[in-house]
Amino acid sequence: EVQVVESGGGLVQPGGSLKLSCATSGFTFSDSPIHWVRQASGKGLEWVSRIGSKADKYATTYAASVRGRFIISRDASETTAYLHMSSLKTEDTAVYYCLSYSLYATPPWRWGRGTLVTVSS
Amino acid sequence: DIVMTQFPDSLAVSLGERATINCKAGQSVLYSSNNKNYLAWYQQRPGQPPKLLIYWASTREFGVPDRFSGSGSGTDFTLTISSVQAEDVAVYYCQQYYAPYPTFGQGTTVEIK
Repeated sequence: EVQVVESGGGLVQPGGSLKLSCATSGFTFSDSPIHWVRQASGKGLEWVSRIGSKADKYATTYAASVRGRFIISRDASETTAYLHMSSLKTEDTAVYYCLSYSLYATPPWRWGRGTLVTVSS
Repeated sequence: DIVMTQFPDSLAVSLGERATINCKAGQSVLYSSNNKNYLAWYQQRPGQPPKLLIYWASTREFGVPDRFSGSGSGTDFTLTISSVQAEDVAVYYCQQYYAPYPTFGQGTTVEIK
């Protein structure tokens, strides 16, 4: 069974840092791009970042709103992906979801249940 | 960015009636080499993560009731709930995954009239 489980959320002050983890199992981790998507309370879904598969050399992409402040990474040996967030702003407050994607999987998208990040003084 | 636009923003439907949600992509999400539309639909109930209902525009996820169906191709897509039940009260999102990163519609809220 495919599992995607986020952790690491919490309360942090503006300007602070936080590292989210995304533990996965049940699929070939190195073959699947991993995405982070966030959702502020009462708002829609916003894509944050992507790290590619081994085939595309783990290329990374970021939304303009987080570029230069967030870093996405992955550890193949642990089948875990990370989102290191720094210089946090109050507008980064949201539930952060980790998603795995595989063109050849059924279904192609798997979501975790999310972890809440609150940026407040 | 591929902009996804849903309409209506909200709709109120009587129990047992049909609900139709539309989604328009800013460019085609049909990949010609495999003839697949890179379009998914999600349901999100309050306090819950999004739940995948439909992928490849019309393939129902395992366990999703057959009253949910997806249709469309290219830039125009529809999610239909053939007979709305009380548990279908939720926000529904479309998502394209044709581009290297996904984008979502703004959401459509379904309520019971």
